[in-house]
Amino acid sequence: DAKTTQPPSMDCAEGRAANLPCNHSTISGNEYVYWYRQIHSQGPQYIIHGLKNNETNEMASLIITEDRKSSTLILPHATLRDTAVYYCIVSSYAGNNRKLIWGLGTSLAVNP
Amino acid sequence: DTEVTQTPKHLVMGMTNKKSLKCEQHMGHRAMYWYKQKAKKPPELMFVYSYEKLSINESVPSRFSPECPNSSLLNLHLHALQPEDSALYLCATRLAGGVDTQYFGPGTRLTVL
Repeated sequence: DAKTTQPPSMDCAEGRAANLPCNHSTISGNEYVYWYRQIHSQGPQYIIHGLKNNETNEMASLIITEDRKSSTLILPHATLRDTAVYYCIVSSYAGNNRKLIWGLGTSLAVNP
Repeated sequence: DTEVTQTPKHLVMGMTNKKSLKCEQHMGHRAMYWYKQKAKKPPELMFVYSYEKLSINESVPSRFSPECPNSSLLNLHLHALQPEDSALYLCATRLAGGVDTQYFGPGTRLTVL
């Protein structure tokens, strides 16, 4: 299974862009990159996912390098409510099922 | 309805008790998951049900017994647990087919005394 590597913690000033990096150098061609976040002791919340192309939704943007070995999650205007643990995940087949292979997460602190 | 609900929110049980955790969804999703999460760690997959059939058991001890009585409900029956089983238990659902996105419930915080 592909694995992901993330910095354990990051800080960001409120109103600025938060750029969270992730390495997934062993990712296979049919494995998606997913990002979830988890605010303290709540259930993880889906943010965005992608395969090859850059993706954007109302929450964030996902930039995937051309070789697919790394990606960056961008929160364009971070707020205090974005303080959370952000997980970079690779989806993987397990027989007929999909499994999410979780990284250890980046704890993002958004400061006033 | 886009929610996954879990009950109870908190549960304290002794090592000889039998209890159950419940997960419910009305999104028409046909894949349902149980995860265990210890403090400061990512969620760890326990079981996957696909179309109400158990499809993945990640070598979970038999003191955890999952059940999927219908497409909207997922239970986790607990018996003779150990203190190290104390954790946040998360349920997630997925549309099934080629879609990977999982939607999580708020979790049940379990404490085993």
